[in-house]
Amino acid sequence: DAKTTQPNSMESNEEEPVHLPCNHSTISGTDYIHWYRQLPSQGPEYVIHGLTSNVNNRMASLAIAEDRKSSTLILHRATLRDAAVYYCIPRVNPNFGNEKLTFGTGTRLTIIP
Amino acid sequence: SQTIHQWPATLVQPVGSPLSLECTVEGTSNPNLYWYRQAAGRGLQLLFYSVGIGQISSEVPQNLSASRPQDRQFILSSKKLLLSDSGFYLCAWSVGLNYGYTFGSGTRLTVV
Repeated sequence: DAKTTQPNSMESNEEEPVHLPCNHSTISGTDYIHWYRQLPSQGPEYVIHGLTSNVNNRMASLAIAEDRKSSTLILHRATLRDAAVYYCIPRVNPNFGNEKLTFGTGTRLTIIP
Repeated sequence: SQTIHQWPATLVQPVGSPLSLECTVEGTSNPNLYWYRQAAGRGLQLLFYSVGIGQISSEVPQNLSASRPQDRQFILSSKKLLLSDSGFYLCAWSVGLNYGYTFGSGTRLTVV
């Protein structure tokens, strides 16, 4: 499975944009890049995913490097409710491997009021 | 709309007792189903996943087992709980590679 590297923790001021980086240099060409977040005492919540192109949804944007070895999750205007652990996960294509998401340690995002 | 149900929310069980956690999904058919565990202060560990009825893949050898008796039902069991089985157990489902996983609200198990 592809390995990921994320900062252990980050801080951001409320109402400012947040850029959460992830390195996944060993990702295969068919693996989607998924992002999830986990609020305290809750299960993970899907945020966004993409393959090659940048993606936007109501929660966030995902910027994927052209070589796909890194990606950045962008929260355009952080709120206190965005404080969570954010996980970047390459999702193995089931046609080429077992279908599963393997969580790493993620980035703990703290939002400063 | 699709929903996922997990119960109970919390459980306290003595060492050596059996365990049965149930997860059901509504509003979709033939989902991939997953059981994860998160020990206190640790990351999420994939325990089992299933791509169909009766099809179970185990990720971590341990005293837990899983079964999928119906398309949208996934059960996690143990015959004899250990202290190390304490943790936050999460069920999740997905319908395909280009879709996210949806997690249940979890069961917090404490083995005493």
